[in-house]
Amino acid sequence: GAVVSQHPSWVICKSGTSVKIECRSLDFQATTMFWYRQFPKQSLMLMATSNEGSKATYEQGVEKDKFLINHASLTLSTLTVTSAHPEDSSFYICSLPAFYNEQFFGPGTRLTVL
Amino acid sequence: LAKTTQPISMDSYEGQEVNITCSHNNIATNDYITWYQQFPSQGPRFIIQGYKTKVTNEVASLFIPADRKSSTLSLPRVSLSDTAVYYCLVGGRGRGKLIFGQGTELSVKP
Repeated sequence: GAVVSQHPSWVICKSGTSVKIECRSLDFQATTMFWYRQFPKQSLMLMATSNEGSKATYEQGVEKDKFLINHASLTLSTLTVTSAHPEDSSFYICSLPAFYNEQFFGPGTRLTVL
Repeated sequence: LAKTTQPISMDSYEGQEVNITCSHNNIATNDYITWYQQFPSQGPRFIIQGYKTKVTNEVASLFIPADRKSSTLSLPRVSLSDTAVYYCLVGGRGRGKLIFGQGTELSVKP
């Protein structure tokens, strides 16, 4: 099946800096990918839909200027958390829609903002 | 997208069968029911999907009654490694976005 990788797997940064998270599809060409955020002991929250070659679609309440998404190729989507603050500390997960309602999820990126 | 309701947590012992029920009263005609498993600090993993009656794979079974307003994920003879959060999702059989509910935290004890 499809394999989705994320880089880095964890990152620690200082408040005010920007962090880029990469999501790669290793087996499938992905015109669409999804980005989720998950706080401890909570469910996954869909942040945005990443569309290859066009603008991302953000869910209500997600700041598009803070969470920049770029999907420049069929195998790579990036999420940049700009001017990160401690409240942005979370587990960020990308996914690749495959067949029907099956999605392949990446291993996640743990972001800690000090 | 139909809303789902699951128990927040369940406890079981190794070797037992575990049944997790999900309610989805507003399921639409075109909706399918999909279950995912998530271990701590990992992305979710697809377990099983069904539309009606019963579906079985090497990992689990999914039972869906005729009215489709609920579904039950059955895990046979659980082991410690089945300790995870299980999510029930309902939606059309496309490649669209998934909305996760609260999930059920299953704890398997020795």
